Amino acid sequence: EAAVTQSPRNKVTVTGGNVTLSCRQTNSHNYMYWYRQDTGHGLRLIHYSYGAGNLQIGDVPDGYKATRTTQEDFFLLLELASPSQTSLYFCASSDARASGNTLYFGEGSRLIVV
Amino acid sequence: QQKVQQSPESLIVPEGAMTSLNCTFSDSASQYFAWYRQHSGKAPKALMSIFSNGEKEEGRFTIHLNKASLHFSLHIRDSQPSDSALYLCAVSIGNNAGAKLTFGGGTRLTVRP
Repeated sequence: EAAVTQSPRNKVTVTGGNVTLSCRQTNSHNYMYWYRQDTGHGLRLIHYSYGAGNLQIGDVPDGYKATRTTQEDFFLLLELASPSQTSLYFCASSDARASGNTLYFGEGSRLIVV
Repeated sequence: QQKVQQSPESLIVPEGAMTSLNCTFSDSASQYFAWYRQHSGKAPKALMSIFSNGEKEEGRFTIHLNKASLHFSLHIRDSQPSDSALYLCAVSIGNNAGAKLTFGGGTRLTVRP
């Protein structure tokens, strides 16, 4: 099973602060994703990537940047954090060689913006 | 933009009961349908998926898909306390990796011993 590791697991920052969430996957999956999870909204896609240097816009991209530096590493950047970005963030990966689109999720990063 | 809705929002059932969870979607071009389960404080984990109309069974879990009705469901036979979790349905237009998955808001299931 794919291993997806996120850091930090918990983060508190102030309004206007900079935050970087990191994600590493170790199964050489092509695709990586960043989702946010809020009560009642399920998981909403922020950005995703199909390889190093590639970035695709998700459904809720405003206020977020992302960068895929290697096959393994995908970063989510909040340059001017706002309280509305308080959420639980999940990174996921999937294998382009498999049928369907099964996502393998990390354990999540909880961000609080005060 | 695809809209995915789940019902009910929460559900409490006794151990051993049959549980039914529902998911509706808005885009008739959808091709891939999946259920994820998320135990409290844990990552979501894929449970089952289906591509074509009909049903698919894996152990105590069965998916029913009716594309014409824009509806699919998850049925859990002989529900166990360990099944208590948040269940998320997900739909995509494409059926391969990279096809954007749109998730529903979730159904929180509690199975009472």
